This record gives sequence, structure tokens and C-alpha cells, in this order.
Amino acid sequence: DQQVKQNSPSLSVQEGRISILNCDYTNSMFDYFLWYKKYPAEGPTFLISISSIKDKNEDGRFTVFLNKSAKHLSLHIVPSQPGDSAVYFCAASAEEYGNKLVFGAGTILRVKS
Amino acid sequence: DTGVSQNPRHKITKRGQNVTFRCDPISEHNRLYWYRQTLGQGPEFLTYFQNEAQLEKSRLLSDRFSAERPKGSFSTLEIQRTEQGDSAMYLCASSREWTNTEAFFGQGTRLTVV
Repeated sequence: DQQVKQNSPSLSVQEGRISILNCDYTNSMFDYFLWYKKYPAEGPTFLISISSIKDKNEDGRFTVFLNKSAKHLSLHIVPSQPGDSAVYFCAASAEEYGNKLVFGAGTILRVKS
Repeated sequence: DTGVSQNPRHKITKRGQNVTFRCDPISEHNRLYWYRQTLGQGPEFLTYFQNEAQLEKSRLLSDRFSAERPKGSFSTLEIQRTEQGDSAMYLCASSREWTNTEAFFGQGTRLTVV
């Protein structure tokens, strides 16, 4: 079963606007959530993370929101830039699982100039 | 360069051959993970090491797969008698042994079995 789901395979936004990528999870043991960005033929690059004890974490243009009761997190990118075009993966982990990451299937973000 | 390094970047092999991939983690990281990614999917966990000890193996890791981290530094992933279904991107990541910490990935090894 898929414990981490990204239900939108793709998203297209205009340069300068907000991009919102969503992620849902089912395992309540997850206590740390991460977003990775991936370009073709490269490995994932860490973007931003959030612990389950927080509901928001911000780093420059990137903000991650966590709603534990809904088991939902989202990544906001403001303003979106063409260089943000990539595949974005949501991932979750738990210390008692050795911090191994469980990934969603990814969302392709296209930022149009 | 102090990032995670993987070699080779690309490998094309004939079905039935053995292949071996290498991963050099970030030097101060004592956890090392292997993942596999196929088209349209997110990376899937294969196995992980804490120092030289292999602590967990996924059900995805059949008997044809073996991983080692002999001195707690670099790691190798070997696939014996490759099958076309083994074609994928093999990713290595490393992290510190801390609670709630991010893992850093290498650029991956793209395996094509023909």
C-alpha cells in the first residue's frame, strides 16, 4: 500500500505566481517530512523539511505546512521561477524505521515564463 | 566535492550478467541507504547500513541482490544474473545517525538490462 501519496501528477503555473504541491500520508508513525526536487538523470536534491511537532517551516521562497490531524502536507513556492520546473517528491520517515524515506510518486511542476 | 558520489553513472549490461555499483557517502555520515527508482515512481527503499552493519533489507531486495559496506565507509550493491526488470535508477543516500535528519542523495546509477 502507498503510505505517501501525491495525487497530482503534474502542475503548471505562471512565473511569479504561487505553486502549491500537496502530499497525503497514512502512517501515523511518521514524524519527519521532507520535500526533494529532482531533475532528469540526477539524484533528488533536498529542499526543505518539517518535524511533526511543527505546523510550518519556511526557507526563503519555500514553505512547508503540516496538518497532522488531516495527515496532509503541502509545499508552497512563492514566487515561482522557471528554474523551479522539476519533479517534486514528498517523503516521510520515522526514527524507529531507521529514518528510511518513504516517497510519494512525485509531481511534475512546470513554471511558464 | 563533499557530496555523495556514485559510480558508474550509467551501466548497460546483457541479461544474465552481474553488475556492481559503488557509493561513497558524505564522510561524516554513518548511515547509508540504497533506493531504486523506476519511471513515474518515487524512489523505493532497498536497504540501509549503520556503519558497517546492514540493519534492514526490503522485500524488493531479492536473493540476486547483495549490498556491503565493509569498513563503514563506501558501499557496493551487486546484482547477479540481471533481468530486464532490474532496469532502473539506483540511488544511494547518506545521513547522520540523528533523529529527524535529512538524507543527501548521489546522482544515481542508471542501469539498463538488454
